[in-house]
Amino acid sequence: AQSVSQHNHHVILSEAASLELGCNYSYGGTVNLFWYVQYPGQHLQLLLKYFSGDPLVKGIKGFEAEFIKSKFSFNLRKPSVQWSDTAEYFCAVNAGTSYDKVIFGPGTSLSVIP
Amino acid sequence: NAGVTQTPKFQVLKTGQSMTLQCAQDMNHEYMSWYRQDPGMGLRLIHYSVGAGITDQGEVPNGYNVSRSTTEDFPLRLLSAAPSQTSVYFCASSLQGLVLETQYFGPGTRLLVL
Repeated sequence: AQSVSQHNHHVILSEAASLELGCNYSYGGTVNLFWYVQYPGQHLQLLLKYFSGDPLVKGIKGFEAEFIKSKFSFNLRKPSVQWSDTAEYFCAVNAGTSYDKVIFGPGTSLSVIP
Repeated sequence: NAGVTQTPKFQVLKTGQSMTLQCAQDMNHEYMSWYRQDPGMGLRLIHYSVGAGITDQGEVPNGYNVSRSTTEDFPLRLLSAAPSQTSVYFCASSLQGLVLETQYFGPGTRLLVL
């Protein structure tokens, strides 16, 4: 069965620090990859997605993610975080013969200290 | 457009009671889905629908029923509520299947089963 793991449950950073959130998935075939964000009190929003092409994907609010097929990874990065980036971040994978299911990781809670 | 709307926002049930969580979208999206969000487990897919009259099971369908009589509405029914169904429920929709389309999430329904 497909699964998604995220390396950190909770990350605490100071403003202007660099961010990297890990995401690994367990499927050997073609995958579609997503990062979603949930700000406090709000619903999930798409940050970025990878379907094909350039493995370095740029999303909204200065976020980017790199798809490394050999490592089954799709890590999220931001060079300089802001207090407003405090949120829960979810990695998600859509794979296999059925393209109608998206499997989410457990999430990483990011707290940015001013 | 109102986007994806969910009612109620919060509900308390007693064990054994039944209820329906409502979800509606006004974007003419074919694909709709229900997730539950639990701490440390991310979002888990309950049921999904690729169009009116078509539904299928996700990762955790037991104890839940769905129907899709119209494109706009996708209600989730709890047949006999159990404390294990205490969770936050999110409805989502996308224009078509998930390969190329972004999912739009509703604001969520918080359910407490006593």
